[in-house]
Amino acid sequence: GQQLNQSPQSMFIQEGEDVSMNCTSSSIFNTWLWYKQDPGEGPVLLIALYKAGELTSNGRLTAQFGITRKDSFLNISASIPSDVGIYFCAKETSGSRLTFGEGTQLTVNP
Amino acid sequence: GAGVSQSPSNKVTEKGKDVELRCDPISGHTALYWYRQSLGQGLEFLIYFQGNSAPDKSGLPSDRFSAERTGGSVSTLTIQRTQQEDSAVYLCASSLTPTARFRLAGTDTQYFGPGTRLTVL
Repeated sequence: GQQLNQSPQSMFIQEGEDVSMNCTSSSIFNTWLWYKQDPGEGPVLLIALYKAGELTSNGRLTAQFGITRKDSFLNISASIPSDVGIYFCAKETSGSRLTFGEGTQLTVNP
Repeated sequence: GAGVSQSPSNKVTEKGKDVELRCDPISGHTALYWYRQSLGQGLEFLIYFQGNSAPDKSGLPSDRFSAERTGGSVSTLTIQRTQQEDSAVYLCASSLTPTARFRLAGTDTQYFGPGTRLTVL
């Protein structure tokens, strides 16, 4: 029903490489959100997507809302060490709650 | 300005004891949310407050969990008779307006606090 499937679960890359992660859902919805969580901190919103097919950039980050409204991807270009963290996709479900994917743990080796 | 703050940052308790976790939202934010994050997992919605409306408690896992929001500002999440499976990071978030209803210039963005790490021995 409301579950989000996020992949990959973890990634180990070299500094300067590009990264791609994605989320899928069995149901359609109207909003995709991508958050990043640093150790010991709460998640911080990176990008919000509101329309099917929408492509939005935030610096080196690019995210797209799938045309079927059931998926989204997040790309990070030219990764740097501070990109390390856990990246979550999330969507709005009933009312104002957010449902989160299980996260992608990103490690960037200098 | 100040972000969302939570206290304590860490709490260790014995099984069966009650605990209270506090959240101070961003000043002026009308919506407040509690989530739980178990180790290696995503965030799980617990409860949502909006202004003076009745809270959405549908995410609370059992009747041992309760929350209050006094004066439309500070919120307290209480867990009674704690169990080991309650061990997790409890995160609070606030937004200027409710998500999905007032999408104006990002006013529905949820800002998260650093969380309280609860360990039940």
